[in-house]
Amino acid sequence: NAGVTQTPKFQVLKTGQSMTLQCAQDMNHNSMYWYRQDPGMGLRLIYYSASEGTTDKGEVPNGYNVSRLNKREFSLRLESAAPSQTSVYFCASSDSLDYNEQFFGPGTRLTVL
Amino acid sequence: AQSVTQPDIHITVSEGASLELRCNYSYGATPYLFWYVQSPGQGLQLLLKYFSGDTLVQGIKGFEAEFKRSQSSFNLRKPSVHWSDAAEYFCAVGPIPLNSNSGYALNFGKGTSLLVTP
Repeated sequence: NAGVTQTPKFQVLKTGQSMTLQCAQDMNHNSMYWYRQDPGMGLRLIYYSASEGTTDKGEVPNGYNVSRLNKREFSLRLESAAPSQTSVYFCASSDSLDYNEQFFGPGTRLTVL
Repeated sequence: AQSVTQPDIHITVSEGASLELRCNYSYGATPYLFWYVQSPGQGLQLLLKYFSGDTLVQGIKGFEAEFKRSQSSFNLRKPSVHWSDAAEYFCAVGPIPLNSNSGYALNFGKGTSLLVTP
């Protein structure tokens, strides 16, 4: 039981490049989330998926897109990376019936030059 | 609005000393409250949670937290800090309804960074 896994762990992009961050969970959770973490800002919700087949914007969605590929996988795409997207990205999942306790992946550290 | 405030950005304690990290929340009903810990370069790990019942909750690694409704607080405590407790600590409140998709999220505080000195 791996919990929540994320790939890659580290990535360096040039401005304008695109990439997809992958996330998978093996806990049969309905809800999945993408956060970014910046110094002094805590965790900010980018996008979420309440259940398979649905996605919606969070607090800071601009510049990102997501895909809920199936119940296990939830990917985050940067179409044209900008230096302001340099951050640490966390994926999380929860069983919405379980009081919304969230389980986090190890994170992806992204630098955009 | 539903929110969490962690008043202390940084805290320094000596190894073996007691610790209290503050968390204040704003929530319209009885909240679900969480404390997470993040070690350097790692993801967030749940320390403890409060849903209902006993207002003093025990967590992993010797941590406890007390829910005080009258003060809208959920402070984290540990009687004797170890050097390995140096990390960032996040308080969170929920469930926060999300738009119209029947989903829920948590609102996180901005974190308290704990430094432990010898």
